[in-house]
Amino acid sequence: GAGVSQSPSNKVTEKGKDVELRCDPISGHTALYWYRQSLGQGLEFLIYFQGNSAPDKSGLPSDRFSAERTGGSVSTLTIQRTQQEDSAVYLCASSLGSGAIHNEQFFGPGTRLTVL
Amino acid sequence: GEDVEQSLFLSVREGDSSVINCTYTDSSSTYLYWYKQEPGAGLQLLTYIFSNMDMKQDQRLTVLLNKKDKHLSLRIADTQTGDSAIYFCAESFMNRDDKIIFGKGTRLHILP
Repeated sequence: GAGVSQSPSNKVTEKGKDVELRCDPISGHTALYWYRQSLGQGLEFLIYFQGNSAPDKSGLPSDRFSAERTGGSVSTLTIQRTQQEDSAVYLCASSLGSGAIHNEQFFGPGTRLTVL
Repeated sequence: GEDVEQSLFLSVREGDSSVINCTYTDSSSTYLYWYKQEPGAGLQLLTYIFSNMDMKQDQRLTVLLNKKDKHLSLRIADTQTGDSAIYFCAESFMNRDDKIIFGKGTRLHILP
């Protein structure tokens, strides 16, 4: 596609349920990033993929959060047993990765998650 | 450690210049960036500067980098209502797995 796409755009769930968020990066981009944006908290790094491997998982807030990437393309972020504090906008970005001149990240529109 | 700091809010009158400031702690950055986030959208790269440059100008945008003070600024000349957005400062590093560190963002509000 022309840009990074994310689905769903909005997700409302009940506390304790699991959710899956999807990211389709720009074709050919080897690097993929997940961020969380909460009101007043700015942009919080969650996890980074280079191809299918995740060299940096340091930002995942708890073991309820996991992410995978298959075929070097689509990525899913899974949150198990959601809590109200998980409510936020989850942003995905992709970039050409190592070797790119200035490694611009291209962002998707985000998934707004609301946990009731 | 890696840390990027910005003030959270800035109000500017339409037609005036806006100056958004950013400080960072890690001096080993290779590139420094300004991203713009309009309401309901993801971030979009506005401009960037290589770490061995002092200044970069692009139409209404001027980026100034003071490496000694670890200070980056973005000046928007003739601020317009369409400039209303959140502006994120960010830095990247050589040989650090393509990671980019973002600040918390500065919300620019345009006064009529």
